[in-house]
Amino acid sequence: GAVVSQHPSWVICKSGTSVKIECRSLDFQATTMFWYRQFPKQSLMLMATSNEGSKATYEQGVEKDKFLINHASLTLSTLTVTSAHPEDSSFYICSAPGLAGALDEQYFGPGTRLTVT
Amino acid sequence: KQEVTQIPAALSVPEGENLVLNCSFTDSAIYNLQWFRQDPGKGLTSLLLIQSSQREQTSGRLNASLDKSSGRSTLYIAASQPGDSATYLCAVKGISGTYKYIFGTGTRLKVLA
Repeated sequence: GAVVSQHPSWVICKSGTSVKIECRSLDFQATTMFWYRQFPKQSLMLMATSNEGSKATYEQGVEKDKFLINHASLTLSTLTVTSAHPEDSSFYICSAPGLAGALDEQYFGPGTRLTVT
Repeated sequence: KQEVTQIPAALSVPEGENLVLNCSFTDSAIYNLQWFRQDPGKGLTSLLLIQSSQREQTSGRLNASLDKSSGRSTLYIAASQPGDSATYLCAVKGISGTYKYIFGTGTRLKVLA
């Protein structure tokens, strides 16, 4: 099956700094990728849809100026958490749809655990 | 707006029991439904994918069914083992817009040895 990687797998940063998380599709191209956030003991919440070559689409309640998404190529999307605060500490997971499009499954990255101190 | 709910939220069973996890969704206009397993602090492991035209899928001790018209799916785990302990998530892909998945609330399963 298709493989999606994320980097870093975990990161600790100080409050007020920015953190960039990368999501890569390793063996397929993805014009669309999705970013999710998961707080402890909660389910995954969709944050935004990353579109190659165009602006990301954010879900209601997600601050687009705080969570910057750049989908610069067909295999890479980045999420930058700007001016991070402790409440941004969470598990961030990206995904991409398989090449079969609507009927294919979603392939998920292993996640990035962000801790803001 | 699609909402996905899973019942029960948590489940603790003795080893060897057969069990059923439930997933319900409010909008039946879906492409497919996927079941995942998530171990603590880890990412997602895909278990089963059911297309909207399918009624069920099977993999080993796992069987997932889909009743799209009633907005329900069940995950059946036969002869549960302690290694099955994890959180199980269902997710649906809607037919409108992009291929985004909406996740359920999850069921935390603990199988006791």
